[in-house]
This record gives sequence, structure tokens and C-alpha cells, in this order.
Amino acid sequence: NAGVTQTPKFRILKIGQSMTLQCTQDMNHNYMYWYRQDPGMGLKLIYYSVGAGITDKGEVPNGYNVSRSTTEDFPLRLELAAPSQTSVYFCASSPLDGLGANVLTFGAGSRLTVL
Amino acid sequence: GNSVTQMEGPVTLSEEAFLTINCTYTATGYPSLFWYVQYPGEGLQLLLKATKADDKGSNKGFEATYRKETTSFHLEKGSVQVSDSAVYFCALRRTGNQFYFGTGTSLTVIP
Repeated sequence: NAGVTQTPKFRILKIGQSMTLQCTQDMNHNYMYWYRQDPGMGLKLIYYSVGAGITDKGEVPNGYNVSRSTTEDFPLRLELAAPSQTSVYFCASSPLDGLGANVLTFGAGSRLTVL
Repeated sequence: GNSVTQMEGPVTLSEEAFLTINCTYTATGYPSLFWYVQYPGEGLQLLLKATKADDKGSNKGFEATYRKETTSFHLEKGSVQVSDSAVYFCALRRTGNQFYFGTGTSLTVIP
């Protein structure tokens, strides 16, 4: 059981380039999330999805786009990379909201540097 | 709104020392509360959770009690080990599966 898988683990981009961070989960979770982690700033939610075909903005969506065509996949796209997007990105998933405390399962992270 | 405030780090302790990391929250309604741990180079992992007032979450010797009257969820461990060195995040979950995280507290345990 792989859980949440993110690729790539590391990437260096030049300003203005585009790229997609991939995220796949094999737990049949309805909810998926993208967070960025900056030093001393904790985690900030970029986008989230409550199911295939449904996405919504989080706290810091500017400069990013997402899609959710299947339950398993939730890619994050950076269209015009900027130095401010240098960060560690985490994908996470959670089962359908219900009774009890649903738990987030995180991927290992993708470290992105924009130069 | 919803937010989580946790004590600033970094925290450095000697092995076998007592650990407390403070966490307070602001939320409407009755959130679930969590502690996540991040080891170097890894993603976050669930450490413990509590779903209602007065619940105590525990795991690997760590404990935290959901205190509604003080809106707190402080993390404690009686005797830390070098292997506990990590960053600890307090978080809350609201209805609709929205999660809010604190800024994290870095812990280093020295032999």
C-alpha cells in the first residue's frame, strides 16, 4: 500500500518556466489537498478537492492551478514560475467527511527551487 | 475564523527531559484536534488526535488533552529520546474536512 505518492522529489526551475507536480493516492480517499511549507511559516493550503471534478481554492492559490479528473490523481501546475514559489510542496488526502476524526495522509514532499 | 497557535521554537532538551509544547486554537463549533510530526526529509505523520472535549490522545509516550475551557491541546512527553527530534505541528479539523496548522515547533534532543 503506497499511500500518497508525489513526484518529483526535487526540481529546479528557471523564472517563467512551467511544471506540474504529480500526486497519486491509492486509498480511495475523496479529499485531496496541496500545501506549501515555507520555513517558519507552517503549512499553507493552496488548493483542495472534495472529489473527482471538484476543486476549490485554499489560502494561497495565486500562481497555481489544479485538476481532479480521477479519484486517485491531483496534479498541481505552476504556469509561470516565480522565486516566491520556492518551497516544499506536500500533497495529502483524507477519507470522506463523517463521524470521528478524519486524518490527513501526507506524501513525502516535493522541493522546488525557482532561480 | 479558525487558527492554531503553537509555541515558538526551536526547543532543545537533554535526553530523558520532560517535554511540553503549547498549542491553543480558535474555532467555532467543536473541532477535532491533532498533533503531526515531521522527521527530517519526510512528510508529516499523525502522532495523536482527539475528537471531543476532555479526550486524551496518546501515542509513543506522547499525550495531549483536549481542553475546551482553555481552547488548548498541549503536547507532553515524560522522557524524550534522541529519536524524538523532529518538527511538531498542532492542527485542527473543521466540518467540511478543512485542516488548519500551526507554524510548527522544532525539537532537538541531545544525548
